[in-house]
Amino acid sequence: DARVTQTPRHKVTEMGQEVTMRCQPILGHNTVFWYRQTMMQGLELLAYFRNRAPLDDSGMPKDRFSAEMPDATLATLKIQPSEPRDSAVYFCASGLEGPPYNEQFFGPGTRLTVL
Amino acid sequence: SQQGEEDPQALSIQEGENATMNCSYKTSINNLQWYRQNSGRGLVHLILIRSNEREKHSGRLRVTLDTSKKSSSLLITASRAADTASYFCVNSGNTPLVFGKGTRLSVIA
Repeated sequence: DARVTQTPRHKVTEMGQEVTMRCQPILGHNTVFWYRQTMMQGLELLAYFRNRAPLDDSGMPKDRFSAEMPDATLATLKIQPSEPRDSAVYFCASGLEGPPYNEQFFGPGTRLTVL
Repeated sequence: SQQGEEDPQALSIQEGENATMNCSYKTSINNLQWYRQNSGRGLVHLILIRSNEREKHSGRLRVTLDTSKKSSSLLITASRAADTASYFCVNSGNTPLVFGKGTRLSVIA
């Protein structure tokens, strides 16, 4: 049963610390997306990749966030330094190449709390 | 914007009743998708309807699409407590999926 995996599932850290979230997309999927979800803003697209190349990261605060795909089986989202306003659930999703974009498969999310 | 807007924001029904959620979008579509999110979980794809389709069924789900009105609806028949979740529509045009705030459905046993 293929699925997107994310680690860690929960992370509590203090302001100023570095946070790294990892995602393993479904084997064979060549697009990967990072989303952030909060009660106030809903689900926001932060960045996405096609064939490991970043296509758009305009939704991401550039000064502290970075997203990479070191290889086809791993996507990372890093926050340095973290701030309390970064507290949210971060979702990774993968899919097959678009447009038009078809089904996206979401991971279980990383719940981040920055104190 | 490719974002779909769901209506109502929240819906509460009794188990066994039907639930109808609506979606409006602003731009042309290639296809429209519906997703479900249970509390604390990732989104799960429910159904995709293409721009040349008017109605589609999947189990207890029925989706309609009216491209002239730029709207879609999701009907869940014979609802169950397990259907309690947020539901999102997404206009998947030529950009990555952009999600709205969704409809929060509560099914009371």
